[in-house]
Amino acid sequence: DVKVTQSSRYLVKRTGEKVFLECVQDMDHENMFWYRQDPGLGLRLIYFSYDVKMKEKGDIPEGYSVSREKKERFSLILESASTNQTSMYLCAIRRLAVSDTQYFGPGTRLTVL
Amino acid sequence: QKEVEQNSGPLSVPEGAIASLNCTYSDRVSQSFFWYRQYSGKSPELIMSIYSNGDKEDGRFTAQLNKASQYVSLLIRDSQPSDSATYLCAVNSGYSTLTFGKGTMLLVSP
Repeated sequence: DVKVTQSSRYLVKRTGEKVFLECVQDMDHENMFWYRQDPGLGLRLIYFSYDVKMKEKGDIPEGYSVSREKKERFSLILESASTNQTSMYLCAIRRLAVSDTQYFGPGTRLTVL
Repeated sequence: QKEVEQNSGPLSVPEGAIASLNCTYSDRVSQSFFWYRQYSGKSPELIMSIYSNGDKEDGRFTAQLNKASQYVSLLIRDSQPSDSATYLCAVNSGYSTLTFGKGTMLLVSP
């Protein structure tokens, strides 16, 4: 079974704080993705990574950065959180050699006050 | 801009009926198509993937793909109240990225 874990299910932060969201997978999946999901806007890709130390911008990278120092861990960073970054954040993984299917973690509901 | 369109619903069906969920996509070169189910407050879970024109069946679920019409659908037979969820259509839109539709909410009434 594919297992993807995210550091927190719920998180409350204040405007201007630096926020780290972590995603950890327990298998050898090369590709990892960060999405946010908002009512009426659907799932939107923020950043993704093909491999260690590699990153690519998605559709809405503004206000975010990422880090992938180890294959199993992909971090999403909000340098200075703002209220419009209140959202559900979802991490997904994909194993190249198996298929192009993406599997999601449980999600982190972030509220920025 | 690659787009995936779904009717937002809600689609309401009685228990035991067939639910039909539809999706259209704009990128003609897309090769992989997926249906995810998402319960309220939960993350999406994969139900079906389809890569070739025609039908693909898995239990009560059937995915249908028509690349010429750029159309993919999901049929749920013998719908159950536990099938009530939002169904997301996703289309391969690059080397490893997916473009998601906004989802169709399905309500199955007992």
